[in-house]
Amino acid sequence: QSAPTQPASVSGYPGQSITISCTGTSSDVGDSNYVSWYQQHPGKVPKLMIYDVSYRPPGVSNRFFGSKSGNTASLTISGLQTEDEADYYCSSYTSTSTLVFGGGTKLTV
Amino acid sequence: DVQLVESGGGLVQPGGSLRLSCRASGFTFGSYWMSWVRQAPGKGLEWVANIKQDGTDKYYVDSMKGRFTISRDNARNLVYLQIDSLRADDTAVYYCAKTRVGTTCYFDDWGQGTLVTVSS
Repeated sequence: QSAPTQPASVSGYPGQSITISCTGTSSDVGDSNYVSWYQQHPGKVPKLMIYDVSYRPPGVSNRFFGSKSGNTASLTISGLQTEDEADYYCSSYTSTSTLVFGGGTKLTV
Repeated sequence: DVQLVESGGGLVQPGGSLRLSCRASGFTFGSYWMSWVRQAPGKGLEWVANIKQDGTDKYYVDSMKGRFTISRDNARNLVYLQIDSLRADDTAVYYCAKTRVGTTCYFDDWGQGTLVTVSS
């Protein structure tokens, strides 16, 4: 069970769009529609932002968009705001009924 | 509102054991899978284990099989994580999370976490 690969860091200016990738294998991301994304501010608890690849929970801004192609899932944040600065983690269900998190990406705005 | 409150963390010597607890409220506890996720200081999230609503199915990350045991008490709205033969690299904040499993899979509510420090 190796972790899906995420870029260690991404950055953007307010108002811009950025995309965070999450590259797994055919045993996790590539085999699952159950990819989710979590936002974690320093010292805070993770917060669900996207589930089932592209669904937003109530209360999450429509500036957050999830997608997947093959073994790679992506989180796109449009109209960057300073409060979006945080760590982001993808998570995927796997073919062995376990779960795995990506290594995490630090977003700097 | 959903509340998840972890307890049981602390300073433990290498080789020791610890049982973490998570008390749930604000939802029908017995209707949901529950998970434990940990985060070492300055590191990323790591899924540890999850347990089905009635406790009959349990899954663990391969690297933790044998030393970690997840269990639950639906009458008391509690989920536990027993950790044996603790090692320094088990030092982390341990979160419990309400988990949606079935036609979906994600963690929709998290506790504040309990810190486990393994050191002599």
